[in-house]
Amino acid sequence: EVQLLESGGGVVQPGGSLRLSCAASGFTFSSHSMTWVRQAPGKGLEWVSTIRATNGDTYYADSVAGRFTISRDNSENTLHLQMNSLRAEDTAVYYCARGGFTSSFDSWGQGILVPVPS
Amino acid sequence: EIVLTQSPATLSLSPGERATLSCRASQSVSGYLAWYQQKPGRAPRLLIYDASNRATGIPARFSGSGSGTDFTLTISSLEPEDFAFYFCQQRSNWPRTFGQGTKVEIK
Repeated sequence: EVQLLESGGGVVQPGGSLRLSCAASGFTFSSHSMTWVRQAPGKGLEWVSTIRATNGDTYYADSVAGRFTISRDNSENTLHLQMNSLRAEDTAVYYCARGGFTSSFDSWGQGILVPVPS
Repeated sequence: EIVLTQSPATLSLSPGERATLSCRASQSVSGYLAWYQQKPGRAPRLLIYDASNRATGIPARFSGSGSGTDFTLTISSLEPEDFAFYFCQQRSNWPRTFGQGTKVEIK
């Protein structure tokens, strides 16, 4: 069974940094692209970033480019999102999801809340 | 950026009725469109990928159709557990984008 478990969330002040992690199990992590998607309170889904399985190429939404960095550790089956220069508008539930490069997001973590008070 | 526009914003139906949800893309996404279901406080769940393929474990009452710019998600006969939000998403271009969602509520 595919399992994705996010960790690392919590309140952070504007301008601060936070690192999210997503522990993956139940599948061959190194063979799949991985993605972060976020959802602001009461709003829709917003794609944040994707990292390819093979060469580690990364893709970012304009709203986070230059501030967020996606990475993966295939030896630890873990996905990360380093978030710097956080803003109030980054407040959201952050989901890690499997896929995103040549596939849809076919499995999702339970999500983790990152509040950035204004 | 490809903009996905979903309609209607809210669909009020009774259990047993047929639901038809629309997703229109601002430019062609070929067949690279997915549909997700989300219930309050829960993560989204993949229903349909590449326009018309049901994901693993998804009941046959869910079906998807379309290509290019116009797509439809159909729920043939609504079950109580189907009342939720539905989002479409394209993987044709970067950035990946989602529609704003359709809420299917009990009438």
